Amino acid sequence: DQQVKQNSPSLSVQEGRISILNCDYTNSMFDYFLWYKKYPAEGPTFLISISSIKDKNEDGRFTVFLNKSAKHLSLHIVPSQPGDSAVYFCAAYGVGGGSNYKLTFGKGTLLTVNP
Amino acid sequence: NAGVTQTPKFRILKIGQSMTLQCTQDMNHNYMYWYRQDPGMGLKLIYYSVGAGITDKGEVPNGYNVSRSTTEDFPLRLELAAPSQTSVYFCASNPYSGETQYFGPGTRLLVL
Repeated sequence: DQQVKQNSPSLSVQEGRISILNCDYTNSMFDYFLWYKKYPAEGPTFLISISSIKDKNEDGRFTVFLNKSAKHLSLHIVPSQPGDSAVYFCAAYGVGGGSNYKLTFGKGTLLTVNP
Repeated sequence: NAGVTQTPKFRILKIGQSMTLQCTQDMNHNYMYWYRQDPGMGLKLIYYSVGAGITDKGEVPNGYNVSRSTTEDFPLRLELAAPSQTSVYFCASNPYSGETQYFGPGTRLLVL
């Protein structure tokens, strides 16, 4: 049972345009959501996060939106740059109910930004 | 400050062999984790530790063992390697639960 779903394996956008990466979750106990970025042959690096008490968090070119009723979050990158080309993982954890801070990851979306 | 380091970077094992994947962090983090990532899949938690001497199973612990004798080191042991253990293994750490996890560069393991 996949609790965090990234249904788009890949996404291709032009440099300067907006990239929108989507993530859905099924576990109501999740109350903190994170995006990680991964380049080939490297470990994932933290990008941005959002808690369930918020619906938006912004950090420079990166904005994460959370729709708790729809159990959906999205990562917006504006403007997209070629250096943003990487695999993006959505991850989530819950504070209680047994999930206890253990991260559950989606399968990832490969973003390619074309010059 | 090296962060999280993992050795080796790459290893080929024969079926039935054993090996230890090393993970060391120099950030004095209490929590450490081992994940595996199969092709086209997300990361799955194998084992984690909340401090020296304390370990617990994650989502996919079968075929693996861990120990945590120091704050810095969290080795992952594979006994009787199987082709299903072909994967990329990532170690991570954070100071406390809920804080951002910092990942190592990964160990690519091929079991033939």
